[in-house]
Amino acid sequence: GAGVSQSPSNKVTEKGKDVELRCDPISGHTALYWYRQSLGQGLEFLIYFQGNSAPDKSGLPSDRFSAERTGGSVSTLTIQRTQQEDSAVYLCASSLRGPGPQYFGPGTRLLVL
Amino acid sequence: SQQGEEDPQALSIQEGENATMNCSYKTSINNLQWYRQNSGRGLVHLILIRSNEREKHSGRLRVTLDTSKKSSSLLITASRAADTASYFCATGPLNDYKLSFGAGTTVTVRA
Repeated sequence: GAGVSQSPSNKVTEKGKDVELRCDPISGHTALYWYRQSLGQGLEFLIYFQGNSAPDKSGLPSDRFSAERTGGSVSTLTIQRTQQEDSAVYLCASSLRGPGPQYFGPGTRLLVL
Repeated sequence: SQQGEEDPQALSIQEGENATMNCSYKTSINNLQWYRQNSGRGLVHLILIRSNEREKHSGRLRVTLDTSKKSSSLLITASRAADTASYFCATGPLNDYKLSFGAGTTVTVRA
């Protein structure tokens, strides 16, 4: 009965480098979400996967951001050519089906120097 | 965009007192959810109230929903130091699975 896991917990990178953030959702959950939270702020929706449907990418802030979900399970969020404004906590959540409760991972704290 | 807005932004109470925070939203919803966040990491789901419900209880938590005023409240009774956290409301819109989160209320419970 593991919860949502994310890796790495923390990531420090230099401006211009690419980063990959990983999310392992709860087994059997068909919906997976990525959010971004800047210091002291609420959650900003990034992208949503539901089963085999095309993902909802409406929250991605720029074309430097992309995400995929392989085999309906693990998801990877990729940020290319990172900028300092990308520094934030990136949270992943999964749910059994939408629109019910979401179960969050502990997040990845990204710092771009 | 953030639809839900919590009020107040911050709240400091004595252990044993009740804490009340409010959430207002703009568009019609399927449900409204409350989450707790400790130390800026993962959020924990507390309670979900559907648009056709007016009140819901879970342990020391009481949530109300007034769809005519597009508002909700979360009451924590007999607060404890462990209740110190940020609390977020999230609205689930009609015909969409995305939740829209507010900026949160930071609650500090003093021993």
